[in-house]
Amino acid sequence: SAVISQKPSRDICQRGTSLTIQCQVDSQVTMMFWYRQQPGQSLTLIATANQGSEATYESGFVIDKFPISRPNLTFSTLTVSNMSPEDSSIYLCSVPGTVNTEAFFGQGTRLTVV
Amino acid sequence: SQKIEQNSEALNIQEGKTATLTCNYTNYSPAYLQWYRQDPGRGPVFLLLIRENEKEKRKERLKVTFDTTLKQSLFHITASQPADSATYLCALDFSGGSYIPTFGRGTSLIVHP
Repeated sequence: SAVISQKPSRDICQRGTSLTIQCQVDSQVTMMFWYRQQPGQSLTLIATANQGSEATYESGFVIDKFPISRPNLTFSTLTVSNMSPEDSSIYLCSVPGTVNTEAFFGQGTRLTVV
Repeated sequence: SQKIEQNSEALNIQEGKTATLTCNYTNYSPAYLQWYRQDPGRGPVFLLLIRENEKEKRKERLKVTFDTTLKQSLFHITASQPADSATYLCALDFSGGSYIPTFGRGTSLIVHP
């Protein structure tokens, strides 16, 4: 199993500002995933972060709004840029298990934009 | 497009009873289906995986069935306890093997003492 440390656990931000969320894994992983979970909704994949290459974004998500860094095999950041109240959500990072049949998650970042 | 449906209404049951949660999906036939538990303010935690050629999988008080004809999975918790209260998510891999799960909305289970 993988242990994922994600921070901050929560934040309240002013609209128009940016927040960077960090995700640290206790082992080297090829792929890291970033999800958004809006209230009462399912997890929606934002992007896949691969070390050494640009992140792959899902439909509806763009790099200018959600820039991602992946400097090494154990760390990634997601930035939520130019925030609006619609960005209020829980953001989660995730990695696949060693046999790629399960996912491990960080504890999530609860973001409130006011 | 693929769709995963879970009951949006919370399931309320009495302690000691069996809780049964449903996950239905459309279109694509996944190689396997998973169930996760999510507590408030926490990330999902993996519980069980069942493959397309398996009808049933058990783990302690948990049982999962997978009917690929009905495109449905049932998740059972026997002898339920208040500590089982959480949201339960089903997830399927529609990515063709690269493993990027697609999650249902989840069903909230509330076990009353």
